[in-house]
Amino acid sequence: KQEVTQIPAALSVPEGENLVLNCSFTDSAIYNLQWFRQDPGKGLTSLLLIQSSQREQTSGRLNASLDKSSGRSTLYIAASQPGDSATYLCGPILTGGGNKLTFGTGTQLKVEL
Amino acid sequence: DADVTQTPRNRITKTGKRIMLECSQTKGHDRMYWYRQDPGLGLRLIYYSFDVKDINKGEISDGYSVSRQAQAKFSLSLESAIPNQTALYFCATKGQSIDGYTFGSGTRLTVV
Repeated sequence: KQEVTQIPAALSVPEGENLVLNCSFTDSAIYNLQWFRQDPGKGLTSLLLIQSSQREQTSGRLNASLDKSSGRSTLYIAASQPGDSATYLCGPILTGGGNKLTFGTGTQLKVEL
Repeated sequence: DADVTQTPRNRITKTGKRIMLECSQTKGHDRMYWYRQDPGLGLRLIYYSFDVKDINKGEISDGYSVSRQAQAKFSLSLESAIPNQTALYFCATKGQSIDGYTFGSGTRLTVV
């Protein structure tokens, strides 16, 4: 069974800092890995999708890396802003068994003025 | 219109009532999923479907049933709702292997 761990569980930083959110997973038989953002009580917004053959994916101030063999991914947020405050979820997607996506419990980020 | 639409957005129901949550999609994806989210437990998979003839149990299927009425529609039923089924429920779709998931906006269900 896939186990996903996200560290830290919560993070509070001043505006402008660069951040690294960590994700580790136990089953490396994945097609790809997806990072999501969730605002309180809201739905999930897809941020980045990294294929298993890729090492990195970038979108604006966000950069995600994937090391499939070691079961790790990181999400790097550059020059953080208060609007980045949300919960960030990591989801590796398995190759078999219905391409199930297993979530970690997320990193709750607060960016303060 | 959203790619994945869930109805209702919010629902309060009484213990013992039957309730159905609906999901429809315009992505043309074959694969559809139902998740529930609880504080501190993250999102957990309830059921998933590859097509109208294929239904599979997820991690926490007890107390739930599903119906895939068409490629675009996947509904989740609680036959006899209980308070610990109070949660935020999400429907998701997925296309080919290289595709990611697309989630609906969620249904907040409260069982009193």
